[in-house]
Amino acid sequence: AQSVAQPEDQVNVAEGNPLTVKCTYSVSGNPYLFWYVQYPNRGLQFLLKYITGDNLVKGSYGFEAEFNKSQTSFHLKKPSALVSDSALYFCAVRDIRNFNKFYFGSGTKLNVKP
Amino acid sequence: DTAVSQTPKYLVTQMGNDKSIKCEQNLGHDTMYWYKQDSKKFLKIMFSYNNKELIINETVPNRFSPKSPDKAHLNLHINSLELGDSAVYFCASSPGGPPLRNNEQFFGPGTRLTVL
Repeated sequence: AQSVAQPEDQVNVAEGNPLTVKCTYSVSGNPYLFWYVQYPNRGLQFLLKYITGDNLVKGSYGFEAEFNKSQTSFHLKKPSALVSDSALYFCAVRDIRNFNKFYFGSGTKLNVKP
Repeated sequence: DTAVSQTPKYLVTQMGNDKSIKCEQNLGHDTMYWYKQDSKKFLKIMFSYNNKELIINETVPNRFSPKSPDKAHLNLHINSLELGDSAVYFCASSPGGPPLRNNEQFFGPGTRLTVL
């Protein structure tokens, strides 16, 4: 079975500091991994994805994620956090037996303080 | 120019009632989804349609019935609403073309359902 885990319910960081939101995955095969962001009272927005190729993936709003096969991780990062980055972040993995199906993590609330 | 739209945005109703939520996407995507997000923000897939055909049907009470009149629309009808149905329901769409593994999802703004 495929799954992703987000071990932190909440991450607090000061504006201007680097941020990391953690995600680990469990997939029997090649993983197809995604990050989404949800602002209050809004739907999820796609940030970036890892399908194949370079382990460092660049996405929207200055975010990037590093795919690490040995650690089965896909952590979301940003070199310098903005207050406007405060939101709920979801990691997701595609079901390799049914590409139409996704499994989402439990979400991590990112708080960026001025 | 909204990509994925849902109506209504808010729905407050009494237990036992029947209600519908509508979803439309103007992205030309082949696949559409319904997700339920509970009060702890956990997101779970309920249904998926590809070109009007049901392709995913998770363990959902049969009080929930999706309908896709065409590939741009996916509606969700809920019979005999219960307190536990209170949640935010998200519609999403995704391109159906190959390579399928590359395709991300585009989400609607959500419908907050409150059952009293």
